[in-house]
Amino acid sequence: EAGVAQSPRYKIIEKRQSVAFWCNPISGHATLYWYQQILGQGPKLLIQFQNNGVVDDSQLPKDRFSAERLKGVDSTLKIQPAKLEDSAVYLCASSRTSGLTDTQYFGPGTRLTVL
Amino acid sequence: AQSVTQLDSQVPVFEEAPVELRCNYSSSVSVYLFWYVQYPNQGLQLLLKYLSGSTLVKGINGFEAEFNKSQTSFHLRKPSVHISDTAEYFCAVSGGYQKVTFGTGTKLQVIP
Repeated sequence: EAGVAQSPRYKIIEKRQSVAFWCNPISGHATLYWYQQILGQGPKLLIQFQNNGVVDDSQLPKDRFSAERLKGVDSTLKIQPAKLEDSAVYLCASSRTSGLTDTQYFGPGTRLTVL
Repeated sequence: AQSVTQLDSQVPVFEEAPVELRCNYSSSVSVYLFWYVQYPNQGLQLLLKYLSGSTLVKGINGFEAEFNKSQTSFHLRKPSVHISDTAEYFCAVSGGYQKVTFGTGTKLQVIP
């Protein structure tokens, strides 16, 4: 079974530029998560999708971050414009259901550096 | 609101020695508890989880954890560590209608 795929693995941009990350979850997984992991901290949930609908985006900075999962499969997270404090690893995860007990499977992450 | 505290940011231990990584949580509802491991440049991988039942949970790679409700703890243990266990370990909690909350992580450094 293929794992969660993410691209790119690394990205360096200047502040005020735009950037997009892509995630392809495990086949058949209905729930997709985007996390932000700042150096020295644990992952923080940005947004959770159930199929192509948003379940939780309470911690997503909506003035600059957006995400979509149009066909209920792969997803894109965008930052526009980027700030220095957006430097972090962006992790995508998926699970079969949205249940709190369900195991989340993580991708390798995208390391973003904003200069 | 729920929270997770991992007091030890780094734990050095000699190879083949036992190790305990500490995790304390705070929640007003019944909880589910998780330990994840993150190897360098990789995503997180589930080690084990406590949902209900026996308070001693066994996971992959020889790790186990014990749920202690009275002390609100979920410490991770391994009787004998290997070099390959060098990684960062995250404790996480979920419960009620709240999403998973992760701790700040503990870096385990196994010394040859």
